Amino acid sequence: GAVVSQHPSRVICKSGTSVKIECRSLDFQATTMFWYRQFPKKSLMLMATSNEGSKATYEQGVEKDKFLINHASLTLSTLTVTSAHPEDSSFYICSAEDSSSGNTIYFGEGSWLTVV
Amino acid sequence: LAKTTQPISMDSYEGQEVNITCSHNNIATNDYITWYQQFPSQGPRFIIQGYKTKVTNEVASLFIPADRKSSTLSLPRVSLSDTAVYYCLVGDNPGQGFQKLVFGTGTRLLVSP
Repeated sequence: GAVVSQHPSRVICKSGTSVKIECRSLDFQATTMFWYRQFPKKSLMLMATSNEGSKATYEQGVEKDKFLINHASLTLSTLTVTSAHPEDSSFYICSAEDSSSGNTIYFGEGSWLTVV
Repeated sequence: LAKTTQPISMDSYEGQEVNITCSHNNIATNDYITWYQQFPSQGPRFIIQGYKTKVTNEVASLFIPADRKSSTLSLPRVSLSDTAVYYCLVGDNPGQGFQKLVFGTGTRLLVSP
């Protein structure tokens, strides 16, 4: 099946710094990617829809200036957590829609962010 | 947004067939039904997708009645490694050429020896 890759899988950063997480569709082009966050033993929460070549669409309650999303190519979307705080520590997961296979959505492996 | 409802948890034993039913009463005409499996600290893994009737692949079957207001994921002869959270989702098509998946609570399946 289609592969979506995230990098890094784990990152630790200091409070106040910014950290970037990459999401790549490895064998298909994705005009649309999605970013989720997940807390332990909870379900995934959709943060934003990333559209290639245009601004991301954020879900209600998600700060767009804090979670910067860039989708500069058909295979890469990035999520930058700016001025990170400990409460931003979470599991971040991206997904990408493969329009060539019935619009199936595939997920990345996830990225653990720990802010200390 | 189509909302899904599924049991919070289910228990089973190795070798048994497991059926997880999901309700999606407000499913739209264009929505597909997709099931994902998630292990701890991993991204969801695609299991199966369908629109109507029955779909089968090498790992599962998906049964969808004619009214499409529910669906049942069937896992034949489960093993311990099938212990995971299973999510049923229906796509929300906001008219922009893509579907947006919003996760519900999922069903936590525990398979015991």
